[in-house]
Amino acid sequence: GAVVSQHPSRVICKSGTSVKIECRSLDFQATTMFWYRQFPKKSLMLMATSNEGSKATYEQGVEKDKFLINHASLTLSTLTVTSAHPEDSSFYICSARDVHSGYTFGSGTRLTVV
Amino acid sequence: DQQVKQNSPSLSVQEGRISILNCDYTNSMFDYFLWYKKYPAEGPTFLISISSIKDKNEDGRFTVFLNKSAKHLSLHIVPSQPGDSAVYFCAASVRGSSNTGKLIFGQGTTLQVKP
Repeated sequence: GAVVSQHPSRVICKSGTSVKIECRSLDFQATTMFWYRQFPKKSLMLMATSNEGSKATYEQGVEKDKFLINHASLTLSTLTVTSAHPEDSSFYICSARDVHSGYTFGSGTRLTVV
Repeated sequence: DQQVKQNSPSLSVQEGRISILNCDYTNSMFDYFLWYKKYPAEGPTFLISISSIKDKNEDGRFTVFLNKSAKHLSLHIVPSQPGDSAVYFCAASVRGSSNTGKLIFGQGTTLQVKP
């Protein structure tokens, strides 16, 4: 079936620095990928829809200048958390949709900002 | 505005019995519903889905029921096994003409199956 690879699985960074998370569709092309954030014991919250070759569509309340999304190819989308603060610490998950397999999720990235 | 709601944060069931996980939604435009299983620090794993044109879909031990008039769906697991212990998320989407409908998730229900 379809596989989505997300990297890194864990990252610790200092406040004020930027962190990039990669999401790759390994065996299919994804014109659209989705970025989610999960707070402890909470739902998966959709942050933005990443569209290949165009600007991402952000959900209400999500700062596009803080969470930069780039979808430069049909197999790669990146989420960059800029000027990270401790409150950005969370579990970030990407998803890509394949016409045959439906939605496939990456394994997630645990971000800790210290 | 929580469009997809799972009002039971946790459920405990004895091995071999039936587990019933519930989900309610408010957006009548949703036309596709999915259930995911998730372990800590991992991405969700797809379990089963149902289109709004159906009221039941079955796959092995998993059955999803959809009641559109009540805007309610449920996941039945029978017989439940200890390995089913995880967090279960209900999700919904509007597939639309673009066919790239985003998923809206419920809060999740933690299922514990006791041996």
